[in-house]
Amino acid sequence: RKEVEQDPGPFNVPEGATVAFNCTYSNSASQSFFWYRQDCRKEPKLLMSVYSSGNEDGRFTAQLNRASQYISLLIRDSKLSDSATYLCVVNNGGSQGNLIFGKGTKLSVKP
Amino acid sequence: DAMVIQNPRYQVTQFGKPVTLSCSQTLNHNVMYWYQQKSSQAPKLLFHYYDKDFNNEADTPDNFQSRRPNTSFCFLDIRSPGLGDAAMYLCATSRGGGAPPTRRTIMNTEAFFGQGTRLTVV
Repeated sequence: RKEVEQDPGPFNVPEGATVAFNCTYSNSASQSFFWYRQDCRKEPKLLMSVYSSGNEDGRFTAQLNRASQYISLLIRDSKLSDSATYLCVVNNGGSQGNLIFGKGTKLSVKP
Repeated sequence: DAMVIQNPRYQVTQFGKPVTLSCSQTLNHNVMYWYQQKSSQAPKLLFHYYDKDFNNEADTPDNFQSRRPNTSFCFLDIRSPGLGDAAMYLCATSRGGGAPPTRRTIMNTEAFFGQGTRLTVV
């Protein structure tokens, strides 16, 4: 099982749609979780951290289920500018902790 | 203002000719990472430094080396680039915590990325 797995995508949705991305991780000792956004040929940029209680930032909602080792990202009222690849990232923590990336899910929002 | 700066943005090198990519940061972060990202793939961690402690991923080829002379700078050396090493190379930093050597942890903070260096091997 890969360390971080995401929905295969691509997701092609109309403007205004609600879209959800899922991510699972294999290391139960993982300590922190993030969603990054990466535009074509650019560096990843933090979209939001994911907290145990769930968190919301405008149109974006992230959820974490530690028991199922599952993370989700919900985007409401999609905009054209939301078109990008969304990367699920897990920090395994500890003295050798490092950030593990999922392969990413590509979102394309159409007019 | 850019906080993680990679130079150059684009690098063309000849097959087998050593090349060095550089990364600098103004965040004073303990941890610096080097990732390799090929087209349509996730960034793959090559190695990271916690201060001066070097942590190599098990599957990172020996062809890839790194140096961190001080907190601000980190270099990626590719000793003999092959065609398969053409990729985007991303440097990132994050804040560490705890006291060395046994209590170091990577804190629950995000990583900040540089804009990357796109390497072409000809």
